Amino acid sequence: GDSVTQMEGPVTLSEEAFLTINCTYTATGYPSLFWYVQYPGEGLQLLLKATKADDKGSNKGFEATYRKETTSFHLEKGSVQVSDSAVYFCALSDPGGAQKLVFGQGTRLTINP
Amino acid sequence: DADVTQTPRNRITKTGKRIMLECSQTKGHDRMYWYRQDPGLGLQLIYYSFDVKDINKGEISDGYSVSRQAQAKFSLSLESAIPNQTALYFCATSDSTRTAHGELFFGEGSRLTVL
Repeated sequence: GDSVTQMEGPVTLSEEAFLTINCTYTATGYPSLFWYVQYPGEGLQLLLKATKADDKGSNKGFEATYRKETTSFHLEKGSVQVSDSAVYFCALSDPGGAQKLVFGQGTRLTINP
Repeated sequence: DADVTQTPRNRITKTGKRIMLECSQTKGHDRMYWYRQDPGLGLQLIYYSFDVKDINKGEISDGYSVSRQAQAKFSLSLESAIPNQTALYFCATSDSTRTAHGELFFGEGSRLTVL
């Protein structure tokens, strides 16, 4: 079945550092890809998405590009802030199927001032 | 007030007890989901409902049951709780259009501990 694999966490960076969180997927068909973020004590919320190959999703300074050839959707940010500390989840949805989301295991990010 | 409300937010119970987690939403969405979150495992889908009369099992439905009492309410029950059901449970909603784009709206979670 469909699956998502994220880089192991936790990840700890200093403020203003460059961030990359790797995400690769396995899916039949042509899935849509997403990054969700979970701030402490809260539910998940959609951060960005891409619905077809070579699309770039972006929001709040974060970016991710849908790479079909490498089945990847890596999350990047050029200069992280303390407020970016959260757990980040990569997910996929097959629009041709039951439209359920399949999540990766999550990556905990901590940014130190 | 939150658009997706889960009750209780925290619950400690004993093995063998029956537990119900409730979810209500004011977003007017037709689709509702229950996910379970365990450390290092991400979120796993327990049950989902596309409307009041359409309820489907997810990948880890064993030991759980659900009830869609109304479009706005979706409850998750553990008939006889066991310790490995200790987890953080999330309710989520979406409508037909948003689901096609993958946007789910999550509640704040219900932390369940089974002793």
